[in-house]
Amino acid sequence: DQQVKQNSPSLSVQEGRISILNCDYTNSMFDYFLWYKKYPAEGPTFLISISSIKDKNEDGRFTVFLNKSAKHLSLHIVPSQPGDSAVYFCAASAGEYGNKLVFGAGTILRVKS
Amino acid sequence: DGGITQSPKYLFRKEGQNVTLSCEQNLNHDAMYWYRQDPGQGLRLIYYSQIVNDFQKGDIAEGYSVSREKKESFPLTVTSAQKNPTAFYLCASSRFDQPQHFGDGTRLSIL
Repeated sequence: DQQVKQNSPSLSVQEGRISILNCDYTNSMFDYFLWYKKYPAEGPTFLISISSIKDKNEDGRFTVFLNKSAKHLSLHIVPSQPGDSAVYFCAASAGEYGNKLVFGAGTILRVKS
Repeated sequence: DGGITQSPKYLFRKEGQNVTLSCEQNLNHDAMYWYRQDPGQGLRLIYYSQIVNDFQKGDIAEGYSVSREKKESFPLTVTSAQKNPTAFYLCASSRFDQPQHFGDGTRLSIL
């Protein structure tokens, strides 16, 4: 049973526009959520996170929104750049960083110039 | 530079052989993790260790073994009992108040 789901396998966006990547979860015990970015043949790199006590966290061009009642989070990238083209993984944990992360299957983002 | 080193980048194994994947970190992180990634799937946790000389099974530990004799090192052995070992293996480490940092992975293939 997938506890973290990224239902869009891929997304294509024009450079300069907004990219919105979505993630749904089923486990009510999850209280910390992270987004990782991954290029081919490399390990994921941490992008941004949000605690369940917040509904929004912003870092430069990246903003994560959390809707606890809907068990849904989204990552907004504005403006999108060609270098943002990568696989984006949503991850969740019950407890802070040191606990196990449960990952979604990832969404491939392609930003066209 | 501080970071996580996984070696080798590519590894080939014959059927019935055990193989060990190396993971070393110089970030002074207490916790270390092993994940497996298959095409079209997310990362799945194999084993994790939160302190030296202690480790726990993750979601897909069958056919794998680990050791944590030193804080810096967390090698993963893929045994012959693992029926489908071909995958991309990722090692991560973290402090308890920070996100996990990942190495660049080892791709294991069966000859």
